[in-house]
Amino acid sequence: AQSVTQLDSHVSVSEGTPVLLRCNYSSSYSPSLFWYVQHPNKGLQLLLKYTSAATLVKGINGFEAEFKKSETSFHLTKPSAHMSDAAEYFCVVSASQAGTALIFGKGTTLSVSS
Amino acid sequence: GAGVSQSPSNKVTEKGKDVELRCDPISGHTALYWYRQSLGQGLEFLIYFQGNSAPDKSGLPSDRFSAERTGGSVSTLTIQRTQQEDSAVYLCASRRGQGIYEQYFGPGTRLTVT
Repeated sequence: AQSVTQLDSHVSVSEGTPVLLRCNYSSSYSPSLFWYVQHPNKGLQLLLKYTSAATLVKGINGFEAEFKKSETSFHLTKPSAHMSDAAEYFCVVSASQAGTALIFGKGTTLSVSS
Repeated sequence: GAGVSQSPSNKVTEKGKDVELRCDPISGHTALYWYRQSLGQGLEFLIYFQGNSAPDKSGLPSDRFSAERTGGSVSTLTIQRTQQEDSAVYLCASRRGQGIYEQYFGPGTRLTVT
């Protein structure tokens, strides 16, 4: 079975400092992995996706994530946080090799202070 | 182009009443999903439609929940005899086709059962 664990429920950073949101996955085959972001009272938006191509994936708004098979991790990073990055972030794994339903982590709330 | 739309955006209903939630997927997207987002449970998969295939209903929590997709486009999620634990945000997503394509989410319907 596939599963995903977000290691921090809440991360707080100062504006201009790096962001690290941690995610570990479990999968019986080569997974497809995604990061989605949800701003308050807004819908879910795809940040980036990994589908067995390059292990370092670049997404929107300066975010990137690195797929590390040996560590079963897919951590999300950004070099410099912006106030507008404050939101909830979900690490997501595809539920089957055919890419059907998505399995979401519990989410990490990112707070950015000035 | 237009994204996934859902209606109503908010629905308040009395316990025991039936409700219908509507989803309009992105034009041309053959796959459609329903998820539920509630406090303490995170995001849960409910049901998945792919083209003319039989839907994957494995995520429906009880037989009070049902969904249909007419003409391969619009979908309706019906909850019969609503209970307070049904209160949540119901999210619809669509995907271009089979394979590993990201899902595009609608803004959700916030259901409150009083």
